[in-house]
Amino acid sequence: GAGVSQSPSNKVTEKGKDVELRCDPISGHTALYWYRQRLGQGLEFLIYFQGNSAPDKSGLPSDRFSAERTGESVSTLTIQRTQQEDSAVYLCASGPFSETQYFGPGTRLLVL
Amino acid sequence: AQSVAQPEDQVNVAEGNPLTVKCTYSVSGNPYLFWYVQYPNRGLQFLLKYITGDNLVKGSYGFEAEFNKSQTSFHLKKPSALVSDSALYFCAVRDIRAGGSYIPTFGRGTSLIVHP
Repeated sequence: GAGVSQSPSNKVTEKGKDVELRCDPISGHTALYWYRQRLGQGLEFLIYFQGNSAPDKSGLPSDRFSAERTGESVSTLTIQRTQQEDSAVYLCASGPFSETQYFGPGTRLLVL
Repeated sequence: AQSVAQPEDQVNVAEGNPLTVKCTYSVSGNPYLFWYVQYPNRGLQFLLKYITGDNLVKGSYGFEAEFNKSQTSFHLKKPSALVSDSALYFCAVRDIRAGGSYIPTFGRGTSLIVHP
């Protein structure tokens, strides 16, 4: 079956612009995670969705970052007023209730 | 609180030799433990996990990991390394006690380089 997909695969934007990143999880997966991976570094947790429960936003680095998920389907991560330090690969993962995570290929964001 | 440590930034091994990538963890309760691999310019890919049962867990591509509760370790191993195993490896832990976090903590990653 289809895996986790993310779009766009690459995004170049100018400082101060807003960007929206999309994640399509594996059908039936109730858990969805967003991570940020800076060049040469590990994974930085951003936000976690589980079914219809309130999301865990504890990893969002600032109020410029927000994410939504409709039910158990698509999720979008929005970064407002992008800064150069937002440049990173943004990874989405889904899973069957918080066990094994299945990662998408990521969106590589470059803020000029 | 939960944490995981990968003490080696890089591991070098010759093709055909056994490899070990180290991981130690800390949780308040019992752990779920995971290994993921990341090939260049790709997302992370699940290798194996320990939840309960046998301490030796077998996963994809001939990899295995041994859960050692007394040493709080979950080292990744393979009897004979391949050049194609060269990648970034991440260990992750989640505390499964009631009230524990549903968000796994990832290590910083270990770069495995297998030389021909």
